[in-house]
Amino acid sequence: RKEVEQDPGPFNVPEGATVAFNCTYSNSASQSFFWYRQDCRKEPKLLMSVYSSGNEDGRFTAQLNRASQYISLLIRDSKLSDSATYLCVVNETPGGSYIPTFGRGTSLIVHP
Amino acid sequence: NAGVTQTPKFRVLKTGQSMTLLCAQDMNHEYMYWYRQDPGMGLRLIHYSVGEGTTAKGEVPDGYNVSRLKKQNFLLGLESAAPSQTSVYFCASSYSRQGGYNEQFFGPGTRLTVL
Repeated sequence: RKEVEQDPGPFNVPEGATVAFNCTYSNSASQSFFWYRQDCRKEPKLLMSVYSSGNEDGRFTAQLNRASQYISLLIRDSKLSDSATYLCVVNETPGGSYIPTFGRGTSLIVHP
Repeated sequence: NAGVTQTPKFRVLKTGQSMTLLCAQDMNHEYMYWYRQDPGMGLRLIHYSVGEGTTAKGEVPDGYNVSRLKKQNFLLGLESAAPSQTSVYFCASSYSRQGGYNEQFFGPGTRLTVL
């Protein structure tokens, strides 16, 4: 069983819409959290780190809820260029190293 | 800076053949990783390295071996390829940061088909 779970979607939204994704993780000792973006047939790239205090970067807002063990990503005013797969990543620390576990990704399609 | 590069970009093997995938990074990163990505499965960690001369198993290590003889290179070997190893392979590297907020930088991927 994957320890990091995401709804695969696809989420199909019109331009200008607000869309939110959640990601749940099973290991309460997980240390750090990220959202990556992956375009079709391309490598993943970091979108945002997710801190305990939450963080915002333009139209993107990420939140961490340690009590309920999930992270979220909110995209406001969706653009066609936001169409991609969004990967949730959780770092664990076996033996002191930071080892990432990826979710399976959530597909977003923004249409005109 | 080239970032993370992978060689080759594409390869077709026959069952039982061997090959080595090369990953190189020029950012002086301590950590390096090999992943495979299959449809509907996301990225799964094969092996990783936290420094030159060290390697460790990830989630799906069977059928693969790795070596990190130089800090900038991380090699992934398939000794006897099987059709189940048909996948897209990504290499990544990162710094080791306090608190674990270490951004991973990925190579462009290697598309491997085993017939």
